[in-house]
Amino acid sequence: DAGVTQSPTHLIKTRGQHVTLRCSPISGHKSVSWYQQVLGQGPQFIFQYYEKEERGRGNFPDRFSARQFPNYSSELNVNALLLGDSALYLCASRQDSLRSPLHFGNGTRLTVT
Amino acid sequence: RKEVEQDPGPFNVPEGATVAFNCTYSNSASQSFFWYRQDCRKEPKLLMSVYSSGNEDGRFTAQLNRASQYISLLIRDSKLSDSATYLCVVSLYGGSQGNLIFGKGTKLSVKP
Repeated sequence: DAGVTQSPTHLIKTRGQHVTLRCSPISGHKSVSWYQQVLGQGPQFIFQYYEKEERGRGNFPDRFSARQFPNYSSELNVNALLLGDSALYLCASRQDSLRSPLHFGNGTRLTVT
Repeated sequence: RKEVEQDPGPFNVPEGATVAFNCTYSNSASQSFFWYRQDCRKEPKLLMSVYSSGNEDGRFTAQLNRASQYISLLIRDSKLSDSATYLCVVSLYGGSQGNLIFGKGTKLSVKP
């Protein structure tokens, strides 16, 4: 079975540009979450989507947005990139049950110069 | 107070040692608990879920104390391959809503 897939794996952008990251969840998983992980820190929650609806938003500025498509894949968009947006962006999917863990993709490593 | 706090580490131990990681969480309404392992420049991977009664998976034992809001992970007979960062994770809700909250992680280095 395919796991969570993310694209691209690496990306270099300059300040002020925007970026779109993509994610496909594990088949059958309706929940997709996005996390940002900067070096030396644990992943920080950005968004969660379930059945195409936003179910949670972390403490990130409005430059960050996301959406989920009917096939449960998802995009994360970041506008007006700042140097501080350089990080590993992780997508994860999860089953509905209370005790279900997150399953992460390999991540997209974004470098903003 | 941070939502999930872990031992700062790093832990440097010899092969065969027993090592314990501790974690505390601030929200008493937390419902689910996990330990994830993250290798350098890789994505986090689920190591084990943590249940109220405690649970064991081979050399790994996880414990949960809801009254103290405390989670632990014990690794026995450490292997070189156990070297990684261990992330303590809690969740308030089920899969249809909410999010998982990660600690900063504790780095383990197992030496020959």
